[in-house]
Amino acid sequence: AQRVTQPEKLLSVFKGAPVELKCNYSYSGSPELFWYVQYSRQRLQLLLRHISRESIKGFTADLNKGETSFHLKKPFAQEEDSAMYYCALNAGGTSYGKLTFGQGTILTVHP
Amino acid sequence: EAQVTQNPRYLITVTGKKLTVTCSQNMNHEYMSWYRQDPGLGLRQIYYSMNVEVTDKGDVPEGYKVSRKEKRNFPLILESPSPNQTSLYFCASSGVLSYNSPLHFGNGTRLTVT
Repeated sequence: AQRVTQPEKLLSVFKGAPVELKCNYSYSGSPELFWYVQYSRQRLQLLLRHISRESIKGFTADLNKGETSFHLKKPFAQEEDSAMYYCALNAGGTSYGKLTFGQGTILTVHP
Repeated sequence: EAQVTQNPRYLITVTGKKLTVTCSQNMNHEYMSWYRQDPGLGLRQIYYSMNVEVTDKGDVPEGYKVSRKEKRNFPLILESPSPNQTSLYFCASSGVLSYNSPLHFGNGTRLTVT
């Protein structure tokens, strides 16, 4: 069975400090991994997907298959980064479409 | 405007009274899914549908039913709601759930079962 773990429920940093939101997964196949974000009073939206290796709003995430991790990082946090962040895994094979989300991490960036 | 629409936004009901939460999308998406969001548990997938007449169980399907008779609609049915189904529910859709087609989420339905 697939599983996604975000060990930190709450994460607080000061503006300008580096931030790392942890995500570990358990899955026997090749995972498709995503980060979704929910800003206050907004809908959940996609932030990053591992395949594209892109940087969005200064965030990056690298898939580490050896450590089964997909941590989200930003070198200099901004107040507008305060939000709930979810790591998600899409199963493959016959279970393609079965999405598993982590428990979520609430990031607060203080001025 | 391209969007996923859920109704109602808020619903208070009593144990055992059947209810339906509707979800509609206007983007011609094949994939649709339902989630519940609970404090400390995050988002958990209830059911998903890869296309019309194709539905599969997510991680927490017990107590829920869905149907996908047409592409745009994916209603969530609680035949006999119980208090442990009190939660915030989200519907989402995607083109083909690939990397090039992210999930689009609805605004959520807050359900309270007394």
